Amino acid sequence: NAGVTQTPKFQVLKTGQSMTLQCAQDMNHEYMSWYRQDPGMGLRLIHYSVGAGITDQGEVPNGYNVSRSTTEDFPLRLLSAAPSQTSVYFCASSYSRGGAGTEAFFGQGTRLTVV
Amino acid sequence: GENVEQHPSTLSVQEGDSAVIKCTYSDSASNYFPWYKQELGKGPQLIIDIRSNVGEKKDQRIAVTLNKTAKHFSLHITETQPEDSAVYFCAAPRGFSGGYNKLIFGAGTRLAVHP
Repeated sequence: NAGVTQTPKFQVLKTGQSMTLQCAQDMNHEYMSWYRQDPGMGLRLIHYSVGAGITDQGEVPNGYNVSRSTTEDFPLRLLSAAPSQTSVYFCASSYSRGGAGTEAFFGQGTRLTVV
Repeated sequence: GENVEQHPSTLSVQEGDSAVIKCTYSDSASNYFPWYKQELGKGPQLIIDIRSNVGEKKDQRIAVTLNKTAKHFSLHITETQPEDSAVYFCAAPRGFSGGYNKLIFGAGTRLAVHP
């Protein structure tokens, strides 16, 4: 059972570079989301998707883009990396339950450093 | 929007003692309250959750209590063991957009269980 798979696990970028963090899930979940984790600040929602072709902004969307062309994949793009984007990024997926909350399954994370 | 506060930020206990972590939330419409455990180098994993139609839920050594009037919920771990050492996060949904629970996380509690 692969669950939620994130690649790469580690990445170092120079300021101004762009890159895409990959996320794939094999559980046929409708909902997918991206969080960043910074010390003392918990997990903050960047972007989320309620299904293929539908995305929306979370708490901290600036500097990031997402798209959802398939149910399985939800890549996160950094347009022009900044040191403030140094963080650990987590992708999560969950299933629909008619409006009620359901368990979110997290990937192992991508540790990104911007120098 | 939803705001979740979590206390304490760190907690140190002796093996066999109990540990309690508390969270408060702001949105009275929230109806789903999960707790996640994050071990070093891994993504968060759901350990227990509670819905607003019950006041308490138990699963072996862990339990969660919910007080909707006061808008707070707590995680209780009894007979703590060294393997309980981890960072624990509470979460609450920021309303529902098309049925999706946008989870807002607390800042986390680092629990250390000493042998």
